[in-house]
Amino acid sequence: QITLKESGPTLVTPKQTLTLTCSFSGFSLSTSGVGVGWVRQPPGKALEWLALIYWDDDTRYSPSLKSRLTVTKDTSRNQVFLTMTNMDPVDTATYYCAHRMVVDSTRVFDYWGQGTLVTVSS
Amino acid sequence: EIVMTQSPATLYVSPGERATLSCRASQSISSNLAWYQQKPGQAPRLLIYGASIRATDIPARFSGSGSGTEFTLTISLLQSEDFAVYFCQQYNDWPPALTFGGGTKVEIK
Repeated sequence: QITLKESGPTLVTPKQTLTLTCSFSGFSLSTSGVGVGWVRQPPGKALEWLALIYWDDDTRYSPSLKSRLTVTKDTSRNQVFLTMTNMDPVDTATYYCAHRMVVDSTRVFDYWGQGTLVTVSS
Repeated sequence: EIVMTQSPATLYVSPGERATLSCRASQSISSNLAWYQQKPGQAPRLLIYGASIRATDIPARFSGSGSGTEFTLTISLLQSEDFAVYFCQQYNDWPPALTFGGGTKVEIK
């Protein structure tokens, strides 16, 4: 059974750097084709894709946020990390990590964490 | 970046009726489209990928259709647990990006 869970600070101040951890089980990020993505959702708004890291360390980022994002993984600990610099109140959102469905070249997410709400405020 | 537009923003449907949700892409995305369902306080749930392929354990009352730029999610015989927000997502424009639509909220009429 695949499960994912996000953890990290619930409150950050403007200009601070946010680091979130995604801890998962039921799959390995050393297996060919596997990927973990990050998606966020401001309160009451739509989903926004942020980043995706693959088993082979290939990483992809949202073009609009690329300069602020870094995704890394620790395969041995079954964890993925998202770092976002220069946080702003508009970055207040629920941040989700999700498992990329391993079917052909699809880039959809079939398992999601519960999400973690991050508020940016002074 | 491909823009995904969903309509209507809110759809009022009575239980037992059919709901038809639309998603339009700003340029052709072939069949590289997924649909998700999200209930309040919960993470999204994958319903459909490849425009028409139901994900694991998704009931047959959910069906997807379309290709190119126009897509439809149909929920036949709407049940109480189907009242939720639905998002479409394209994955054709890769790289550089995956993009979601703004969502359609299905509410009880």
